[in-house]
Amino acid sequence: GDSVTQMEGPVTLSEEAFLTINCTYTATGYPSLFWYVQYPGEGLQLLLKATKADDKGSNKGFEATYRKETTSFHLEKGSVQVSDSAVYFCALSDGSGTYKYIFGTGTRLKVLA
Amino acid sequence: SAVISQKPSRDICQRGTSLTIQCQVDSQVTMMFWYRQQPGQSLTLIATANQGSEATYESGFVIDKFPISRPNLTFSTLTVSNMSPEDSSIYLCSVEAPSGGYTFGSGTRLTVV
Repeated sequence: GDSVTQMEGPVTLSEEAFLTINCTYTATGYPSLFWYVQYPGEGLQLLLKATKADDKGSNKGFEATYRKETTSFHLEKGSVQVSDSAVYFCALSDGSGTYKYIFGTGTRLKVLA
Repeated sequence: SAVISQKPSRDICQRGTSLTIQCQVDSQVTMMFWYRQQPGQSLTLIATANQGSEATYESGFVIDKFPISRPNLTFSTLTVSNMSPEDSSIYLCSVEAPSGGYTFGSGTRLTVV
């Protein structure tokens, strides 16, 4: 079945460092891909999405490109801030119009001042 | 997008007891979703709740253990019944976001002792 694999955390970076959180997926169809962020004490929030190959999702300085050839959707940010400290979840929906998501296990990011 | 209020935010319960989690949305929605996030694992869909009909449960989840109510278009409850330590998890409700993806509540962190 469909699955999402993302790098284990925690990831600890200094402020202004470059961030990459890896996410790869397996899917039989044409999934849409998502990144969600969960700040401490809050619910998951949609950070960005991409619905087809080569699409780039972006929001708040974060970017991720839907790479069908490598089945990847890596999250990047050029310069992280302390306020980016959170747990990041990669997810896919199978593209069949159902509501079902497959989530990765989450990657905790800690940014130090 | 919709704002979801979920309560309680956390609870510590004795085994064999039940806990009811409430989810209130600030707008009317057709479908509400309940997820479980076990320690160190990804989110798993428990069931989908439509107003006026029985909830639809995913494989591995049954109504006797996780009864769900959906009395109107803005509210739902999930009960975790006859709890055991294996039920210790974060439980989240979610709704579809108009722009795609889903909006989540802040979650209920349940510890069963």
